[in-house]
Amino acid sequence: DAGVIQSPRHEVTEMGQEVTLRCKPISGHNSLFWYRQTMMRGLELLIYFNNNVPIDDSGMPEDRFSAKMPNASFSTLKIQPSEPRDSAVYFCASSVIGGSTEAFFGQGTRLTVV
Amino acid sequence: GESVGLHLPTLSVQEGDNSIINCAYSNSASDYFIWYKQESGKGPQFIIDIRSNMDKRQGQRVTVLLNKTVKHLSLQIAATQPGDSAVYFCAENSDSGGSNYKLTFGKGTLLTVNP
Repeated sequence: DAGVIQSPRHEVTEMGQEVTLRCKPISGHNSLFWYRQTMMRGLELLIYFNNNVPIDDSGMPEDRFSAKMPNASFSTLKIQPSEPRDSAVYFCASSVIGGSTEAFFGQGTRLTVV
Repeated sequence: GESVGLHLPTLSVQEGDNSIINCAYSNSASDYFIWYKQESGKGPQFIIDIRSNMDKRQGQRVTVLLNKTVKHLSLQIAATQPGDSAVYFCAENSDSGGSNYKLTFGKGTLLTVNP
């Protein structure tokens, strides 16, 4: 298996533009997580899905952020409109539901909003 | 202006020495814990995990200790190598009710191994 695949690896966009980050979890995994990592706040859980259903989105910063998981093999995190303070590395991770297995992380998307 | 970043605890060791990285977790109901290693430019990578019904677990060159009384985890790395240089995070499953799995991360510790 290729692991969790995220795209793009790097994204530079202008303030106000829409940004879409993509994630393909590991085949067979049924939990998917979106994290944001910054120097100021470390690794923050934004939202997670079980069986494609959002379970907890309390970490989503504001209405400009939205996440979808239309099927078991694909998820998106969208920011509209983007702001400079959204600049961060965004990680997607996947796991098997059950609570006692590790989450596998993708390589991340480094987002820069100018 | 000058940016203020997250001031990570740092640990600097000599190659060949043993390293101990500590972590305090927040939720007394957490029942599953993981240590991750993150190298520059990469995503966190699993090292070792432990369930709350255990107080010690050993892997290859690594040992995790769990003290639920004081909500403390430690990661011991034996014979530390330059390739161990990274940021190390502890994570807890802070929503262990039912089948939910909410992995919450600590702030991380920067380990530097000097050759």
